[in-house]
Formats: sequence, structure tokens, C-alpha cells
Amino acid sequence: ETVMTQSPVTLSVSPGERATLSCRASQSVSGNLAWYQQKAGQAPRLLIYEASTRATGIPARFSGSGSGTEFTLTISSLQSEDFAVYYCQQYNNWPYTFGQGTKLEIK
Amino acid sequence: QVRLQESGPGLVKPSQTLSLTCTVSRDSIYSTTYHWNWVRQSAGKGLEWIGRIHTSGITNYNPSLKSRVAISLDTSKNHFSLKLISVTAADMATYFCASNIEGRPYLNYWGQGTLVTVSP
Repeated sequence: ETVMTQSPVTLSVSPGERATLSCRASQSVSGNLAWYQQKAGQAPRLLIYEASTRATGIPARFSGSGSGTEFTLTISSLQSEDFAVYYCQQYNNWPYTFGQGTKLEIK
Repeated sequence: QVRLQESGPGLVKPSQTLSLTCTVSRDSIYSTTYHWNWVRQSAGKGLEWIGRIHTSGITNYNPSLKSRVAISLDTSKNHFSLKLISVTAADMATYFCASNIEGRPYLNYWGQGTLVTVSP
């Protein structure tokens, strides 16, 4: 199966600053990659699909890039509600697989 | 938009069968070509895609679980179900149902999740 590896495991950033999260696939997933945000006690929420397209209602401060095996999620100016765990997920190869997550915490 | 709600026992004994239901509201389970999915989350394995069923009834299962899992649709009750046989402690997790539109295999609608504990 396609293994998704996210880095860093934990990222400490101050509100208002920029956060950059990485995701690497063990084999090419083309542009078939999504990003999700998960807060404690909640289901994941779709942020980005097709590597760079924001889902409905997602603020413009969230952006995604990459293709093949290397992907990035950038949050341009962190708001208090953005501190959460972020997961990447590939949907190019079955079974679809998730990364282990990056916890974004307040510095 | 679609709303999803999981239900089922929160406690299952080892070697027994885990059975969960996902009730779909605000849309018919057949009104659009959806995939109806089950995903679980555990401390040990993170998020794991269990499998999915298409509106047509075609299923896809994660090979790691394929020999133990079955997903089905219940048209009369507008819900879909998960059965996982021969459970062990490794199956202890929060189970989510989720949906995606055919051709768009990212999960845009999720249930709130239900915790299943495996214990004697």
C-alpha cells in the first residue's frame, strides 16, 4: 500500500505566523491528495482536495501544493481556531491511506 | 447537505462481531452516486480506511481487513452498515462513517464517530 509520511510530527507556531506542513508518499499519487483538519473529539474536516483545491467554505489562508510524492499544506496567518491535527490522504491507489498527522500547536 | 450518524454497541467481546450502522439524512442513500465509507481511528494505527460501498452495491475493502469485513446498504432504512468479525483488541477504535461523490474520492461528509471498545 502507499505509505504517507507527514513531517514534522508536531509544529509549534505563534498566532499570525505562517505554518508549513509536509506530506510524502511512498509512490506517486499524482495530484490525488487531500488534507483534513481534526480537532479533539471531532471528525476530520476536508480542507483541500486534488492537492491544491480548497473545499467549500475553507478560508483562503489555507493553500496546498505539490504533485507526485511531495506535498505541502500552508496556512498563511494562523488563527486560534487553526490549532489542530492535520492529515494528508492519498486517493490514487487503493487502499486509500492517511498520513500519521501533524499536530499544530500554539507557540 | 448529507448528514451521517453512526450507531451500535460501544463494547464488543474478543472473537465476536462488531456491527455498526450509519444513518443518512438530508438525502437519499440512492439519490446521487455516492460511495459510503467506513474509516476508523486508533492510537496505534491512526486513520485507516476500512472500505466503501457504492450506491450500486459494489464494495471495496482494505486488503488488511478484507477477510473479516462486510459493508452493506439497507434501502428501506436509508442506512449502510459495517460488520467486522473475529474482533481483537487491535480493532478497538473510533469508527467513522463518511461519504464521497463518485469520482471524487475525498471524504467531504463525516459522522461524528463512535468509540468501540473490545474487552471481555
